[in-house]
Amino acid sequence: GAVVSQHPSWVICKSGTSVKIECRSLDFQATTMFWYRQFPKQSLMLMATSNEGSKATYEQGVEKDKFLINHASLTLSTLTVTSAHPEDSSFYICSARDRGDRERGYGYTFGSGTRLTVV
Amino acid sequence: GENVEQHPSTLSVQEGDSAVIKCTYSDSASNYFPWYKQELGKRPQLIIDIRSNVGEKKDQRIAVTLNKTAKHFSLHITETQPEDSAVYFCAASGTGLDNFNKFYFGSGTKLNVKP
Repeated sequence: GAVVSQHPSWVICKSGTSVKIECRSLDFQATTMFWYRQFPKQSLMLMATSNEGSKATYEQGVEKDKFLINHASLTLSTLTVTSAHPEDSSFYICSARDRGDRERGYGYTFGSGTRLTVV
Repeated sequence: GENVEQHPSTLSVQEGDSAVIKCTYSDSASNYFPWYKQELGKRPQLIIDIRSNVGEKKDQRIAVTLNKTAKHFSLHITETQPEDSAVYFCAASGTGLDNFNKFYFGSGTKLNVKP
């Protein structure tokens, strides 16, 4: 089945630095990837939709300049948390849609998540 | 945009009993409703899903029902086992212009199955 690899699985960084998280589709091409954020004991909140070759679409309330998304190829999307602060500490998780699912709207494959801690 | 509400937030059942988790959604354009199981610190795993042209779907001990008119759908787990203990999320997705294949998740239900 479809596999999405996400790295790193955890990262600790100092306040003010930037952190890049990668999401790769290993055995399929993903025209669209989604980035979610999950606080402890809370639900997954959709942050943005990453479209290959075009700008990401951000959900209301998500700062574009804070969370930079790049989807330069059909197998890779990156999320960069810029000038991280302790309140950015969270579990970030990506999901990808197989190119063939455009019409079917099937469920996505999730990455394993990245736990970011900003100190 | 879509708003998905999920109840209850926590559910404790005795092993062997049934568990029911309910979700409502607001966007009538939503037409795909997956359920995910998430264990602590791990990625969500799809356990069952239903599309809007179907009223019910069953897979062994798990079933999902959908009422499009009322805009609610439910997850039913029968003969619960301790390994069913996890957080369960419902989600809604659609093909409309504003929610094309975006997943909006419910707030989650922590299921505890007591042996």
